[in-house]
Amino acid sequence: KNQVEQSPQSLIILEGKNCTLQCNYTVSPFSNLRWYKQDTGRGPVSLTIMTFSENTKSNGRYTATLDADTKQSSLHITASQLSDSASYICVVSATMNTGFQKLVFGTGTRLLVSP
Amino acid sequence: DGGITQSPKYLFRKEGQNVTLSCEQNLNHDAMYWYRQDPGQGLRLIYYSQIVNDFQKGDIAEGYSVSREKKESFPLTVTSAQKNPTAFYLCASSMEGSNQPQHFGDGTRLSIL
Repeated sequence: KNQVEQSPQSLIILEGKNCTLQCNYTVSPFSNLRWYKQDTGRGPVSLTIMTFSENTKSNGRYTATLDADTKQSSLHITASQLSDSASYICVVSATMNTGFQKLVFGTGTRLLVSP
Repeated sequence: DGGITQSPKYLFRKEGQNVTLSCEQNLNHDAMYWYRQDPGQGLRLIYYSQIVNDFQKGDIAEGYSVSREKKESFPLTVTSAQKNPTAFYLCASSMEGSNQPQHFGDGTRLSIL
C-alpha cells in the first residue's frame, strides 16, 4: 500500500533555531518527492521537488534531502522565523500505468515558531 | 496576478441539497484536480482532469461530480449522496510533465447545517 509517514506530528521551536522534519515513504513506482508548506486556512505552496537522482535541493532557508535507497526524506529549516509557523506536507508522486502522476500525501508536521 | 481562485471561501449545505464549488485558474494549465482535506489525514484525490472535456475519478469520487467545459474552470458539485461532506476542499492545477508542481487555491470550507 502506498503510504507517506511524517514525524514528528507537531513541533515547537524558538525563533532563530533550526529544525528538521522527517518523511518516510513506501510509494511505487517512485517519480518524485515534494515538500509543501500550508498556512492555516490556505492552500499548500510548493517548496521543493526532487527526483530519484537528486540528493538535496534548497529553497532559501529550506533544504530538502532525499535518500531513495532507504526511502527517506528530510526538510531542514534554518534560522526559523515566526512566518515559518505552518504545516509541512511531504508528498510522493507515483507514475500510474496511464502515465498519470498520482500524489500520495503525508498528514503533515505542524510547526510552531515561538518568539 | 496568475493563480487559482476558489469560491466561496465558506459554504453551508442543507440536507438533501447539492452545492457547487468554483475553481478558476489563469495559469494556462492543462491539468486540474480536486482534493479533500480532513483533520489528521493527508489530502485525498476526488477527481482530476488532464484536458478539456475529459476527467477521471480519483480515490474518493462517490457523491461528487465535476465538469471541464473550459480550460480555466473545473467546478465540483457535492451531491446529496455524499453523506459526510464536511471538509476543506482544495483545487489545484499543473502544467504537463511529471516534475511540475501542483499549484493550489486557498480552499473552500464546506459545513453541514
